[in-house]
Amino acid sequence: EPEVTQTPSHQVTQMGQEVILRCVPISNHLYFYWYRQILGQKVEFLVSFYNNEISEKSEIFDDQFSVERPDGSNFTLKIRSTKLEDSAMYFCASSEQTYYGYTFGSGTRLTVV
Amino acid sequence: GDSVTQMEGPVTLSEEACLTINCTYTATGYPSLFWYVQYPGEGLQLLLKATKADDKGSNKGFEATYRKETTSFHLEKGSVQVSDSAVYFCALRGSTGTASKLTFGTGTRLQVTL
Repeated sequence: EPEVTQTPSHQVTQMGQEVILRCVPISNHLYFYWYRQILGQKVEFLVSFYNNEISEKSEIFDDQFSVERPDGSNFTLKIRSTKLEDSAMYFCASSEQTYYGYTFGSGTRLTVV
Repeated sequence: GDSVTQMEGPVTLSEEACLTINCTYTATGYPSLFWYVQYPGEGLQLLLKATKADDKGSNKGFEATYRKETTSFHLEKGSVQVSDSAVYFCALRGSTGTASKLTFGTGTRLQVTL
């Protein structure tokens, strides 16, 4: 069964550093998403991406965040200057059509120290 | 805006007991409804879905029926197993927008004991 692949599975970074979280969505999917889950809390929407541009973003997705699909297969989330409160599990997801369920990756656990 | 309300957990059941996890939603239009499951240390897996009123989603013995009149999508299973221990998330996907986001409930932790 096709999978969404996320790397790395765990990243530790110092506060103020930039991190890039990488995702390879399912190849024929058109819609891409990032979500995050702070430990023990609900899953929160960050951003959706379609046709090479952001479709929607949440209030969490401020200027320190950016997304990119640099080469037609990867989908990246960049956090420019990490803060302690950015520590969370970050999930990438993709979808073939808007009315389908997503396929989620297994997540990247980001720890900011 | 869209919202999902789930029953508080944790829910602790003995093996072979019946499970119901309540989920209600608020949304405009005709959302699609989903249940996702998160096993310990893993990501989110789609468990079942329903895209229109009165649809019943089912998978692995779990069922949920899309009830528009009560805006509910309760998850049920007749006989739970220890392997069902996980966190269950109810979610909806709005019917507006180009790439409608998923809105999740807070999750309900299920613990099944022998």
